[in-house]
Amino acid sequence: EVQLVESGGGLVQPGGSLRLSCTASGFSLSDYWMHWVRQVPGKGLVWVSRLSSDGSTTTYAESVKGRFTISRDNAKNTLYLQMNSLGAEDAAVYFCVRAKSYQLDPWGQGTLVTVSA
Amino acid sequence: QSALTQPASVSGSPGQSIAISCTGTSSDIGAYNYVSWYQQRPGRAPKLMIFDVSNRPSGVSNRFSGSKSGNTASLTISGLQAEDEADYYCTSYTTTSTPWEFGGGTKLTVL
Repeated sequence: EVQLVESGGGLVQPGGSLRLSCTASGFSLSDYWMHWVRQVPGKGLVWVSRLSSDGSTTTYAESVKGRFTISRDNAKNTLYLQMNSLGAEDAAVYFCVRAKSYQLDPWGQGTLVTVSA
Repeated sequence: QSALTQPASVSGSPGQSIAISCTGTSSDIGAYNYVSWYQQRPGRAPKLMIFDVSNRPSGVSNRFSGSKSGNTASLTISGLQAEDEADYYCTSYTTTSTPWEFGGGTKLTVL
């Protein structure tokens, strides 16, 4: 079964850092482009970042550029999102998603990031 | 503010058909046949319902269909059921600086 499981969310102080993980099963991350999408509870979906299948291309939303880094560990079949200089505007549920052509499927269950002093 | 515009809410009675629109521009919906639709039930992750404008993934009911005209895409749900009550989001590939854009979402209420 193809599955994505996120972890690493939690409470962090403003200006702090957090690393989210997304462990894939049922397929190899290196065969697909992978994305992070976030959602403030009760609000809409917002695209955050993507990583190409060969690992050579990363793209970020303007709102996180320079602060977030997407990467992966092929041996662990795990995708990461390193988030630095976090602010209140970054508080959200973060989903990792597999991209096949121009479809986003499947989605992980999400991990909640709370930014508060 | 989302680049793709959806109505905030739609409603319908069981058995009826409803349509949700998603309006973009000539840089996204109007330029590519890469529109997809996602269903999100409360507390759940989004689920792919339609891809490439009108294709259904395996396992998705044929009550769900998609179409596109110019810069506007539509998701139609026929034979509404209580289980269809959810938020629906459209997305499209785009040539703007952000490669993926989502609509603001539409809350479907089954009366």
